[in-house]
Amino acid sequence: GENVGLHLPTLSVQEGDNSIINCAYSNSASDYFIWYKQESGKGPQFIIDIRSNMDKRQGQRVTVLLNKTVKHLSLQIAATQPGDSAVYFCADNAGGTSYGKLTFGQGTILTVHP
Amino acid sequence: DARVTQTPRHKVTEMGQEVTMRCQPILGHNTVFWYRQTMMQGLELLAYFRNRAPLDDSGMPKDRFSAEMPDATLATLKIQPSEPRDSAVYFCASGLLQETEAFFGQGTRLTVV
Repeated sequence: GENVGLHLPTLSVQEGDNSIINCAYSNSASDYFIWYKQESGKGPQFIIDIRSNMDKRQGQRVTVLLNKTVKHLSLQIAATQPGDSAVYFCADNAGGTSYGKLTFGQGTILTVHP
Repeated sequence: DARVTQTPRHKVTEMGQEVTMRCQPILGHNTVFWYRQTMMQGLELLAYFRNRAPLDDSGMPKDRFSAEMPDATLATLKIQPSEPRDSAVYFCASGLLQETEAFFGQGTRLTVV
């Protein structure tokens, strides 16, 4: 049969613009959230995480926002660079006790044009 | 620098053959995870070890898949017999129980023909 595959959301931006990648989660018991970046041929790489007792956390050029009311997570990348081009995954611990046992979203493809 | 090491990076095998994938977690890490990534399903957790003991393998087909940690420096994922639908990239990740981040290896790309 035909291999449909996942249809990943895509975001295309110009170098220097700010990027916002959104993610919805389903388990209201989840209390830990994490963003990973995956470049072609590589494993997921940690970007930033946030616990449910916070609604915002900032890193270097990245900010994660958490809205528990609507179960929504976003990743903001400031001054996006071509090296930021990758697939970005949000993940949560689905209410479990282990921070590494994660449920991943489908991912968003970010393309940064020079 | 510390990293999770997976071998082999690529594996092509015929249907019915046994496949063994290996993972060397970061030294000192006490949790190990096996994930599978496909275009259809995305990233899925297969198995989870804490201090070498299997805690959760509910995501793994039990009839053909097995995961073990013979020692603290080696985790293995075995498929016997392999089937074409097992074709995927298999990732190992390790972390510290009291910490939050799981570090991923580069993955093993498995193709079963």
